[in-house]
Parts: sequence; structure tokens; C-alpha cells
Amino acid sequence: SQQGEEDPQALSIQEGENATMNCSYKTSINNLQWYRQNSGRGLVHLILIRSNEREKHSGRLRVTLDTSKKSSSLLITASRAADTASYFCATYRYNTDKLIFGTGTRLQVFP
Amino acid sequence: DGGITQSPKYLFRKEGQNVTLSCEQNLNHDAMYWYRQDPGQGLRLIYYSQIVNDFQKGDIAEGYSVSREKKESFPLTVTSAQKNPTAFYLCASSATDRGNSPLHFGNGTRLTVT
Repeated sequence: SQQGEEDPQALSIQEGENATMNCSYKTSINNLQWYRQNSGRGLVHLILIRSNEREKHSGRLRVTLDTSKKSSSLLITASRAADTASYFCATYRYNTDKLIFGTGTRLQVFP
Repeated sequence: DGGITQSPKYLFRKEGQNVTLSCEQNLNHDAMYWYRQDPGQGLRLIYYSQIVNDFQKGDIAEGYSVSREKKESFPLTVTSAQKNPTAFYLCASSATDRGNSPLHFGNGTRLTVT
């Protein structure tokens, strides 16, 4: 079963626009992680936000976490064609060592 | 360079044959994981190991087996009992700090069974 669910499932934007992806999860967490996957490749870790943090930045990425709503969002500002990829959130199932991924958002950035 | 190596990149097998996917890491990580990804889907956890000579089932372990005889290696065997083995298989590792360490992924093995 999926711990996280991203929405939208797919997103198409023009270069220079911002892209926002959302993730909802079901149980208590220690942290939430975001990963990126280029087509046919492995996942690459982008950012980890702890449960006691509300916002975190890394370059053009901004992640927010609302533990009361069990949700997180990933914002990519000033998107580039190279940002085209699938983006996944992941959390550990409560009190286990199982890192569970959401279903992903496929982002397409047109030049 | 430190990283995770999965081999081969593409693998073709006939139905009824067992096949072993290789995963090697030189990051000195204690924990290793196997995930399966179907087209357009998220990742589903098959098996994971937090320490040498120990491993646990994930959400979809049926039809798969693993071993963890060395820290660097975590091979996955897809047995003939796996009903729908064609998929993209991803191996990952992390430092054992439950929940606080990111996963490092290999570039996957695409298995096709006909």
C-alpha cells in the first residue's frame, strides 16, 4: 500500500514558470523526503524535511510540511526544460524501517 | 566514486526460469533495499536489509528471494513463482539512521520475461 499520494499525477508548464507538487500521507512521520527520477534511471534524493520543520529551501526548490494536515508540497521556481522528470515523496511507515514512496508527479517543462 | 552499481541494465528471460539481479555498493552503507517499479507507477518495496546476514520482507516479497552475505552486496533472485516479473527493479542503500538518511539508488535493471 502507498504511504504517500502525490497530486497532480501529471503537470505541464513552460520554462520559467513555477511548478508545485503536493504529497499527502497517512501516518505519523519522522521526516518526509522528495526524490526525482529521470526517465529510465534511478531516483535522486532532493531534500529531506523533518517533522519539526515547516519549510526548507535548496536552490530553486522549496518544500513545506504541514503535519496537522499530513501533507507536503514541493515548489520548483523558474523551471527549466532539464527539470522534466517524475517527482516522488517518501516517508517511513510508522515505527518501521520501510521507506514507502508515493505514486509520483510527472513534470514536463516545455522550452 | 562512491555509488551503487546494478547489473545488467537489461535482462531477458524465458518464463519459468529464475534470474538473479546484482546490486553492489561502495558507500559503506549498512542498509540496502530492493524496489519494483511498473510503468507509470510508484515504487513498491520488495525486501530490505539493515545489517549483514539479516533481511526483512517488504510489501511484495512473494516470488522473490534475497541474501546479504556481504555488506557491499544485496542480490535479488526473481523466481518462477513470481507471477508477473516483468518490471524495472531498483536497488538502494542508506546509512542506518532510521528515517534520517536519504536513499542512494542504482540506475536499475529492466527485466523482461516472455
